[in-house]
Amino acid sequence: DGGITQSPKYLFRKEGQNVTLSCEQNLNHDAMYWYRQDPGQGLRLIYYSQIVNDFQKGDIAEGYSVSREKKESFPLTVTSAQKNPTAFYLCASIGSGTPNTEAFFGQGTRLTVV
Amino acid sequence: EDQVTQSPEALRLQEGESSSLNCSYTVSGLRGLFWYRQDPGKGPEFLFTLYSAGEEKEKERLKATLTKKESFLHITAPKPEDSATYLCAVFQYNFNKFYFGSGTKLNVKP
Repeated sequence: DGGITQSPKYLFRKEGQNVTLSCEQNLNHDAMYWYRQDPGQGLRLIYYSQIVNDFQKGDIAEGYSVSREKKESFPLTVTSAQKNPTAFYLCASIGSGTPNTEAFFGQGTRLTVV
Repeated sequence: EDQVTQSPEALRLQEGESSSLNCSYTVSGLRGLFWYRQDPGKGPEFLFTLYSAGEEKEKERLKATLTKKESFLHITAPKPEDSATYLCAVFQYNFNKFYFGSGTKLNVKP
């Protein structure tokens, strides 16, 4: 898993409820990313953060929120405004050292609305 | 528009039948092109990073190459355990965006 831990592995959400997905890395990477993956589809970018206390919206940010208070942590909140939250959520971190850029993923959180 | 396109969407091979997967990109300011393997229900597993045209990297039966507009993942004499979805991603300078293709689902039959 390259030093990135996502939890929980499975999460169930009731209608109208906010839930928070955890992503922690011990790779000393500056940049962290959240993606959503639907069955048979590629990864779509939700939010990303290049440094602590700063983050940018990706292509499908509506209904999601994030924070980046620590370099190691980038939690994602799926709010009640997200109408179709059932999906597989993946967190990644990127270290842009010289000469190599490395990018690793966590093992994912599968969120289901019940 | 910045875009990463993978082809084919799905590929069926017989064990031992070599082939190639394609990843073409129109992302400006390429900082690195990444290949990943993803098994069902799991996070993508890092395979390679390529940085400049002409670069090649190998790992077991896999070999990745890069040109100015596309990358190929060559699979030599594949085995059933190579069955997975292979993802390509481009990391961009300036905005540090990380763009993914939709993947190629490889099925290797014994």
